[in-house]
Amino acid sequence: AQRVTQPEKLLSVFKGAPVELKCNYSYSGSPELFWYVQYSRQRLQLLLRHISRESIKGFTADLNKGETSFHLKKPFAQEEDSAMYYCALSGHDYKLSFGAGTTVTVRA
Amino acid sequence: NAGVTQTPKFQVLKTGQSMTLQCAQDMNHNSMYWYRQDPGMGLRLIYYSASEGTTDKGEVPNGYNVSRLNKREFSLRLESAAPSQTSVYFCASRTGQYTEAFFGQGTRLTVV
Repeated sequence: AQRVTQPEKLLSVFKGAPVELKCNYSYSGSPELFWYVQYSRQRLQLLLRHISRESIKGFTADLNKGETSFHLKKPFAQEEDSAMYYCALSGHDYKLSFGAGTTVTVRA
Repeated sequence: NAGVTQTPKFQVLKTGQSMTLQCAQDMNHNSMYWYRQDPGMGLRLIYYSASEGTTDKGEVPNGYNVSRLNKREFSLRLESAAPSQTSVYFCASRTGQYTEAFFGQGTRLTVV
């Protein structure tokens, strides 16, 4: 069975401060990992995925297979980063599983 | 290009009533998914269809049925609605198992 764990339900940071959202997973094999974001009144959308190894809106995520983690980081948070963030895992059977989500609030 | 379209956007049901949530995508995607979103629980997979002609259970399938009508459409049916099924339902689609998923705008369902 595949599982995604996001231990933090809420995260509050000040503008300009670093932010890190934790994601741990369990899967027997090599999954693909994603981060999705849901801004207020908008559809859930892809932020970044491991296979692309790119930085989107200043966010990066590193896959650590030893710790089975895929934490999302941004060195300087902006007010427009306030949103709900979901970590997701896709396995070989096409199942796409999400974590419980982390609500990020960036304070001015 | 509409992407993923869900109907209806809002619905109120009485306990025991049935209804079907519709989802259609115009991106020629192979795989389609139904999720429910509840506070503190995140997105939980109800059913998915890896390709036209196949459906599989997700994490919370009880009380639901699905139909992959064709490549474009994937419907979710509640045969006898219960208050525990009050939630926001999302449909998603994607090309393959490691590609980006695109989401609909959601259906807010209340069962009283």
